[in-house]
Amino acid sequence: NAGVTQTPKFRVLKTGQSMTLLCAQDMNHEYMYWYRQDPGMGLRLIHYSVGEGTTAKGEVPDGYNVSRLKKQNFLLGLESAAPSQTSVYFCASSTRTGGPEAFFGQGTRLTVV
Amino acid sequence: AQSVTQLGSHVSVSEGALVLLRCNYSSSVPPYLFWYVQYPNQGLQLLLKYTSAATLVKGINGFEAEFKKSETSFHLTKPSAHMSDAAEYFCAVSERQAGTALIFGKGTTLSVSS
Repeated sequence: NAGVTQTPKFRVLKTGQSMTLLCAQDMNHEYMYWYRQDPGMGLRLIHYSVGEGTTAKGEVPDGYNVSRLKKQNFLLGLESAAPSQTSVYFCASSTRTGGPEAFFGQGTRLTVV
Repeated sequence: AQSVTQLGSHVSVSEGALVLLRCNYSSSVPPYLFWYVQYPNQGLQLLLKYTSAATLVKGINGFEAEFKKSETSFHLTKPSAHMSDAAEYFCAVSERQAGTALIFGKGTTLSVSS
């Protein structure tokens, strides 16, 4: 029973490098989210998706892109990493209606040097 | 736009004391409300949620929260703190219409001393 799986769990990037974070869920959820967590800032929404093929911007979308080509996967891309993107990234998924509980992955700790 | 405010970034209690973590929301209509807990180096786990039934919601580990529309609040309480309750707690809100996202507050770190 995997739930929400994030890959990788840790990564160190040099400024200007690119990378993709993968989120996979096996609960057939419609909604998927990417958040970043920074000390004192809580979880801030980067992008989210309400279904396959759709994406929407959250609170802090600049410097990130996302894609939802398959219902079970939600990819977060950094085209040119900056030190300000050093953070812990969490993916989550939820059902469409009914007071949706979001299920979270274990997080990806990204350091940009 | 929906938002949540958690009053107090850090709360300290003694073991056995009452835990009270405050959350106020901003929304045009009563939204869905949630409390999540995060233990060190882990993801978030749902404690409880308010959807539209009883205004007093009971969750896991002895926690409960009361939805008060007049005060736009959803404070989290536990009658007697345990050492194992030490963690970070997040209040979150989601509007009821489809297509809206889950928005989190900045979190409150709970410390429990013996």
